[in-house]
Amino acid sequence: AQKVTQAQTEISVVEKEDVTLDCVYETRDTTYYLFWYKQPPSGELVFLIRRNSFDEQNEISGRYSWNFQKSTSSFNFTITASQVVDSAVYFCALNAGNNRKLIWGLGTSLAVNP
Amino acid sequence: KAGVTQTPRYLIKTRGQQVTLSCSPISGHRSVSWYQQTPGQGLQFLFEYFSETQRNKGNFPGRFSGRQFSNSRSEMNVSTLELGDSALYLCASTQGSEQYFGPGTRLTVT
Repeated sequence: AQKVTQAQTEISVVEKEDVTLDCVYETRDTTYYLFWYKQPPSGELVFLIRRNSFDEQNEISGRYSWNFQKSTSSFNFTITASQVVDSAVYFCALNAGNNRKLIWGLGTSLAVNP
Repeated sequence: KAGVTQTPRYLIKTRGQQVTLSCSPISGHRSVSWYQQTPGQGLQFLFEYFSETQRNKGNFPGRFSGRQFSNSRSEMNVSTLELGDSALYLCASTQGSEQYFGPGTRLTVT
C-alpha cells in the first residue's frame, strides 16, 4: 500500500523563525517520486520540488531546503527565516508505479505571524 | 507559457443536478489529471487522461466521468449530484513526472 503521513496538522511560528515540515511515506515500489506543494488561501496548488527515489542529494533553494532519507522513508521540508507570505497549507505527495496518480498527505497548515 | 486554466471557478448546484467542469492544460502537455479536495478526505485522485484516453481511475463512483479532446482540453462530469460532492476540483497538467495545477473549481451542492 502507498501512503503519505504528515503528522503535523498545524504549525504556528513567528516571522524569521525556521520551521521544518515532516513527511513520512510508504511504498513498495523501488522507483517513485516525492513532491512538496504549497496551497495558499487562494486554493491553487503551487509546485515546490520533486525528488526521485534514486536521488538522495538534499537541496537548498533560497530559503527552502529539503531532506530526503530513504532509510527512514522521510522527505522533510524546511523554511529558513520564515515570512508571513509563507503562510499556507503544505502538502507532501508520492507518485509510485507506472502512473501519474499522486498520493497525498493531509497537509500541514503553517501560520507565520508578524 | 500560460498556466492551467479551469472554468468555472465557482459553481452552485442543487442535489440531483449534473455539472461539467473544464480544464485547459499548459500548451504542449498531453496528460491531464483530476483531483477532488474536501476537508474530510483531503486530496483524492479521480482520473487521468492522456491523448484522449483514460489511463488511470481512482475510487469514485460511476457518477464521476471525464473525457479529453484532441487539443488536450479535458472535462469532468458529475451526474446526480450529492451534498458530499461539494469540494474543490483541481486539474493538473503533466509533463514527465511533474504536475502543475490549475486554480480549481469550487463546487457547492445545496
